[in-house]
Amino acid sequence: EPEVTQTPSHQVTQMGQEVILRCVPISNHLYFYWYRQILGQKVEFLVSFYNNEISEKSEIFDDQFSVERPDGSNFTLKIRSTKLEDSAMYFCASSETLIGEQYFGPGTRLTVT
Amino acid sequence: AQSVAQPEDQVNVAEGNPLTVKCTYSVSGNPYLFWYVQYPNRGLQFLLKYITGDNLVKGSYGFEAEFNKSQTSFHLKKPSALVSDSALYFCAVSPGGTTSGTYKYIFGTGTRLKVLA
Repeated sequence: EPEVTQTPSHQVTQMGQEVILRCVPISNHLYFYWYRQILGQKVEFLVSFYNNEISEKSEIFDDQFSVERPDGSNFTLKIRSTKLEDSAMYFCASSETLIGEQYFGPGTRLTVT
Repeated sequence: AQSVAQPEDQVNVAEGNPLTVKCTYSVSGNPYLFWYVQYPNRGLQFLLKYITGDNLVKGSYGFEAEFNKSQTSFHLKKPSALVSDSALYFCAVSPGGTTSGTYKYIFGTGTRLKVLA
């Protein structure tokens, strides 16, 4: 069964460094999402992406964040200058249609020290 | 503000007994509703969804959920629990069916289900 994959599974970085989290969505899916979950808190929406542009973003998704689909398979989330409060589990998701269910990857645990 | 509530942090049930995991939401209009399950070190796995139609929806692994518009609830149920059902369950709501037109998910805090042998 096709699945969403994410790399790395765990990333440790120092405050102020740039990180890129990578995702490979399911191949025929057209809608892409990033969510994050700070330890002990809810899963929160960050951004949605369709047709090579951002469709919606949350207030969390400020100028430090960016997303890109550099080729036909990868979908990346970049944090330019990480802060301690960016430490969280980041989930990528994709869906085939706008109202279809989203399929989630296993997540990348980002630890900012 | 739009929100989803899962009032129980943990639900314990004996194997073979029916289980219910509760979810209520506060989203105006006609949202889309979803249940996901998370096993340790795994992503969120889709279980079932309600978009429109019959209020009782059936999903994977014998789970079902009942949509109740008047009570704004979407409780997850299973007639006979298995030890292997023990996991973290998330309710999610997409306001996509409302005038806001946004299709992001709003998640509940999750309910840990423990099925005892």
